[in-house]
Amino acid sequence: RKEVEQDPGPFNVPEGATVAFNCTYSNSASQSFFWYRQDCRKEPKLLMSVYSSGNEDGRFTAQLNRASQYISLLIRDSKLSDSATYLCVVIRGSQGNLIFGKGTKLSVKP
Amino acid sequence: EAQVTQNPRYLITVTGKKLTVTCSQNMNHEYMSWYRQDPGLGLRQIYYSMNVEVTDKGDVPEGYKVSRKEKRNFPLILESPSPNQTSLYFCASSLYGSVDYEQYFGPGTRLTVT
Repeated sequence: RKEVEQDPGPFNVPEGATVAFNCTYSNSASQSFFWYRQDCRKEPKLLMSVYSSGNEDGRFTAQLNRASQYISLLIRDSKLSDSATYLCVVIRGSQGNLIFGKGTKLSVKP
Repeated sequence: EAQVTQNPRYLITVTGKKLTVTCSQNMNHEYMSWYRQDPGLGLRQIYYSMNVEVTDKGDVPEGYKVSRKEKRNFPLILESPSPNQTSLYFCASSLYGSVDYEQYFGPGTRLTVT
């Protein structure tokens, strides 16, 4: 089992749709989790951290399920500008070793 | 402006010719790291550094070297590049100690080894 796995995608959705991405991780000792966004041929940028209690930032909601070892990202009212690849990131241990998922591509259509 | 810079942005070289990709950050970040991104494989960590003179291997360190003599700089060295090191490389930095560990990425270096 890969250390971090994401929905393969691509997700093609119309504007205004709600879309959810899942990510599973295999190391139960992982402590920190994030979602990054990467536009085509650009550098990744932090979208949001994922906290144990779940967290929301505008149209974006991230949740963590430690028992099942997965994190999720929900995007409501999708915009054309949300089209990008979304990367799940897990910190392995306490030494700063970051593990990225392969990413899920989202395409929002008019 | 707070940023991470990489040079060069694009490089085409030949097998065996030593090269260095520079990375510099102006945010006084302690943590710096290098990644390579390949189609179908995603971003993989090559090396990381928690602070000056402290470096550790990531998941794919073979064929690469790094050094951290100053806090702001973290060069990536390919002593004898091979075609399988053709990739898109990103440098990143973050303020270690922050629970968020937000990584600030450089713009990337596209390397082709022929």
